This record gives sequence, C-alpha cells and structure tokens, in this order.
Amino acid sequence: SQTIHQWPATLVQPVGSPLSLECTVEGTSNPNLYWYRQAAGRGLQLLFYSVGIGQISSEVPQNLSASRPQDRQFILSSKKLLLSDSGFYLCAWRDRVEAFFGQGTRLTVV
Amino acid sequence: SQQGEEDPQALSIQEGENATMNCSYKTSINNLQWYRQNSGRGLVHLILIRSNEREKHSGRLRVTLDTSKKSSSLLITASRAADTASYFCATDEEETGANNLFFGTGTRLTVIP
Repeated sequence: SQTIHQWPATLVQPVGSPLSLECTVEGTSNPNLYWYRQAAGRGLQLLFYSVGIGQISSEVPQNLSASRPQDRQFILSSKKLLLSDSGFYLCAWRDRVEAFFGQGTRLTVV
Repeated sequence: SQQGEEDPQALSIQEGENATMNCSYKTSINNLQWYRQNSGRGLVHLILIRSNEREKHSGRLRVTLDTSKKSSSLLITASRAADTASYFCATDEEETGANNLFFGTGTRLTVIP
C-alpha cells in the first residue's frame, strides 16, 4: 500500500534562517507531488506541484522553493525565512483522482 | 489558487443531529471531492462525485452536486462526537492539465456529545 511520510511534525525557526522540509512517498512510482500551506483556520493554498523528477511548478510567488531530486522525494526549502512563512505545511501525492496527505509540519517562524 | 468556498465557516450541532455543509466553486470541473481534517493533521479523502453525477452516498455521508449552480453539499447524518473536524471541498479544474486539486476554505464542524 502507498504511504507518505512528512517530517518534522513541528518546527520553530528564527527569522532569516533556512528551511528544509522533506516528504517521501512509498508504494507508488512517478506520483504527482504537491506542497500546500494552510494558515490558521483557513483553507489550503497550493504552493508547488511536480509531475516528475526535476519538474517543479509554482502556483504563487513567494519566499519558498521546491525540489524533487528523486522520484518519490519532494523538498520544500527557503534560504531565509520570513515571519509570514509561518503556517501548516502539507505534502500530498495524487493518484488519478484522490489525494493522499502527509501529517503536516507546523512551522513557526519567530 | 483556491476556488472553493465552504459555507458555513463553522457549525456546531448536538450529537445525533444532521450536519450540512455547502461548497461553491468558480470554474468548470471534472469532479468534486470532500476531505476531512482533524485538528493539526493531514486531510483524509471522504467521497468523490463526478461532474455527471447529481448525488452520491457513502455510509452516513450524502453528497450532492449542482453544476449549473457550481455548488455541492455534504450531509452527515446522525452525527457523532468523532465527526468533529474541518471539512473541505476540492475540485479539479476542467481546463487544467496539471492534475491540480484546489481546496475550499473549509467548514469547522463541532459535534457536542
């Protein structure tokens, strides 16, 4: 069966520090991968998606970047975090229809 | 982009009552899905309804879709305290080839025991 791992679960980082969140998928090959951000009490904003290794599309301009160095690995990064980068980050992969989510990373930038 | 809007934003009901949440979207879609999110966790898929369907049932869930009004509703019957969560609708935009899924703003449901 397919599983998705996302870590860490919580992270507190100072403003200006770098960020690296990792997501890996098991049990499927060549998945479409997604990073979403969820502000407190709000809906999900699609940040990045990837249809294959090295292929990254950004939905919104921001202080973040994404990379897909391996088929089942998706990384969300920032060189210098801003206070506004705080939020709940969710990684997901998708079969033809349904999306499967990781457990999320709660990022607090202080 | 985020094309779905759920209504109401928050809903509080007694255990045993029915809960109805509504979703409106903007563009033509291939299908509409509903997801559930427990506090601080990832989302879990509940049910999907295709654009050529009008109603679908799964256990205590009933989903309707009105493509002419670009709206959907999720009904949870005989609610339980364990149904307390946020519920989101999500849509595939028909014209988008990237297989992206866009989520609404969510309804926070509280079921009081």
